[in-house]
Amino acid sequence: ETGVTQSPTHLIKTRGQQVTLRCSSQSGHNTVSWYQQALGQGPQFIFQYYREEENGRGNFPPRFSGLQFPNYSSELNVNALELDDSALYLCASSDWTGVDTQYFGPGTRLTVL
Amino acid sequence: ELKVEQNPLFLSMQEGKNYTIYCNYSTTSDRLYWYRQDPGKSLESLFVLLSNGAVKQEGRLMASLDTKARLSTLHITAAVHDLSATYFCAVPPSGTYKYIFGTGTRLKVLA
Repeated sequence: ETGVTQSPTHLIKTRGQQVTLRCSSQSGHNTVSWYQQALGQGPQFIFQYYREEENGRGNFPPRFSGLQFPNYSSELNVNALELDDSALYLCASSDWTGVDTQYFGPGTRLTVL
Repeated sequence: ELKVEQNPLFLSMQEGKNYTIYCNYSTTSDRLYWYRQDPGKSLESLFVLLSNGAVKQEGRLMASLDTKARLSTLHITAAVHDLSATYFCAVPPSGTYKYIFGTGTRLKVLA
């Protein structure tokens, strides 16, 4: 069984640029959630995708957008990067059966200069 | 808006001692999750608590849930250095599948 994978591991961008982060869900999982974790804080929910449809969104501006593909992998896109977007971005996959334990990937560390 | 609070935020304890981490949340939910995070790493699932009165144990860690009090506890028995990490509780508000994470408890076990 393959776990959740994310790419890239680290990324450095400058303000105003755009970034795409990728996530491959665990085998058999149809739901992907994205979280932002700033240094020293708990993860903050960005949004969730279930079978290619957005299924809930946290308090993040529209410049945070996402996609889920037929194979349930996912992308997180962030436009017009700001310094405060510097964080660890975590992807979590789950099987929407009601228990919904989310299994997290290793994360992408984004630094915005 | 759902708030999830943990205390203490920081905990330094000697090996062999017992201690409890508390997680309080402000709205109804029928599930609660505990995760562990090592520095620079992702989150590892520890426990899933699915009902009022649920108790789960794994090694030196035991978690419980009281949905009426909106409180979960993570009890550490005879701590060892390997338990040093940050522990998060996460709560999905009823009717949603998004997790609201607590502030985290940074645990350091001293030899």
